[in-house]
Amino acid sequence: KAGVTQTPRYLIKTRGQQVTLSCSPISGHRSVSWYQQTPGQGLQFLFEYFSETQRNKGNFPGRFSGRQFSNSRSEMNVSTLELGDSALYLCASHPGETGEQYFGPGTRLTVT
Amino acid sequence: LAKTTQPISMDSYEGQEVNITCSHNNIATNDYITWYQQFPSQGPRFIIQGYKTKVTNEVASLFIPADRKSSTLSLPRVSLSDTAVYYCLVGDLALFSGGYNKLIFGAGTRLAVHP
Repeated sequence: KAGVTQTPRYLIKTRGQQVTLSCSPISGHRSVSWYQQTPGQGLQFLFEYFSETQRNKGNFPGRFSGRQFSNSRSEMNVSTLELGDSALYLCASHPGETGEQYFGPGTRLTVT
Repeated sequence: LAKTTQPISMDSYEGQEVNITCSHNNIATNDYITWYQQFPSQGPRFIIQGYKTKVTNEVASLFIPADRKSSTLSLPRVSLSDTAVYYCLVGDLALFSGGYNKLIFGAGTRLAVHP
């Protein structure tokens, strides 16, 4: 089976812009979770989608949003980028109810 | 949610066995212990999960004493490619299944394997 794929792998944006990141889960997996990883805060949960519905949400401002499509692919959007949004954004795929999560390689976002 | 404590860093040499201990003094009855491995600029990778005693797979072993207040990840005969950050997480199985909103990835243990 192909693993979790994330695009793009690297991205440079300027403050105030918005960005959309994409995640394709493992075939058959219905749950997609997003995480932000920074050196200072570590790995933090953003939100989780299951069957096109947001099932869980972390403590991030409304500038961070996401969605999931019928084929389980997911996108996350960050509007009005701030310097502090520079991070590695990870997507994890999961079958849905039981089993382990599989992480993608991440998208490295740099905000200048 | 059980808080975990791990060493910040460890050093080892190729071919040696590495044991990383994690303390979780307030682990709950329903909590499982899960270890992840993360290489730079990659997502964490599931290594092993256990509830009590010993669990072994093709990658590692997990030792959990009877009181479950700590656990030890054992990596046999490490190689340079085992250089990574290792995270110990403790939580209800349901938390590992989907939303990680209640799980906290700490700083982990940075393992450096030397030739």
